[in-house]
Amino acid sequence: DTGVSQNPRHKITKRGQNVTFRCDPISEHNRLYWYRQTLGQGPEFLTYFQNEAQLEKSRLLSDRFSAERPKGSFSTLEIQRTEQGDSAMYLCASSFRGTTSTDTQYFGPGTRLTVL
Amino acid sequence: DQQVKQNSPSLSVQEGRISILNCDYTNSMFDYFLWYKKYPAEGPTFLISISSIKDKNEDGRFTVFLNKSAKHLSLHIVPSQPGDSAVYFCAASANNAGNMLTFGGGTRLMVKP
Repeated sequence: DTGVSQNPRHKITKRGQNVTFRCDPISEHNRLYWYRQTLGQGPEFLTYFQNEAQLEKSRLLSDRFSAERPKGSFSTLEIQRTEQGDSAMYLCASSFRGTTSTDTQYFGPGTRLTVL
Repeated sequence: DQQVKQNSPSLSVQEGRISILNCDYTNSMFDYFLWYKKYPAEGPTFLISISSIKDKNEDGRFTVFLNKSAKHLSLHIVPSQPGDSAVYFCAASANNAGNMLTFGGGTRLMVKP
């Protein structure tokens, strides 16, 4: 299977703990996106990378959140000092941006975070 | 402000009939539109897309229509099948904004056998 993979699929943590999620994109894709989805809502954009460069961050991404894509391949999303409001599904998507102005994003299965 | 809206939270259709899901947007900079299907506990699955230079795109049972003047798009599924039952999200992006997706709130489609 060469789709987007995310680990772990589920994470339960206590308030105040740090958590880290990993995303492995489709291998030839140069763009990687992170989204967050809460119950009953559509996904909301958090940040994206083109290769290893982080090009955009949403205002939803507070200073407790940090994302990296060190070699332009997999990416990690870390949340420090988790709060109950961080409970959500964290989705990763990847795409290939070439010479056309559009690129289709393909999503992974998500990591469901529950903060107790 | 919600830049992409799906005003129908749910839709129920009989198997074999047409399902029409609607989506409205407000940002005139959006130039690429996509529909995703989502099952519980899974990530969104890409269905079909349309560029703003077109007004229709078809892929098998799925057709997306874009009305730029009304800032409206719709997804038609013909014929509807029970396996189509899922939540459908409309999403839009702008080339000058990194192509990040702005999603609607979703419409739950139920196809009855």
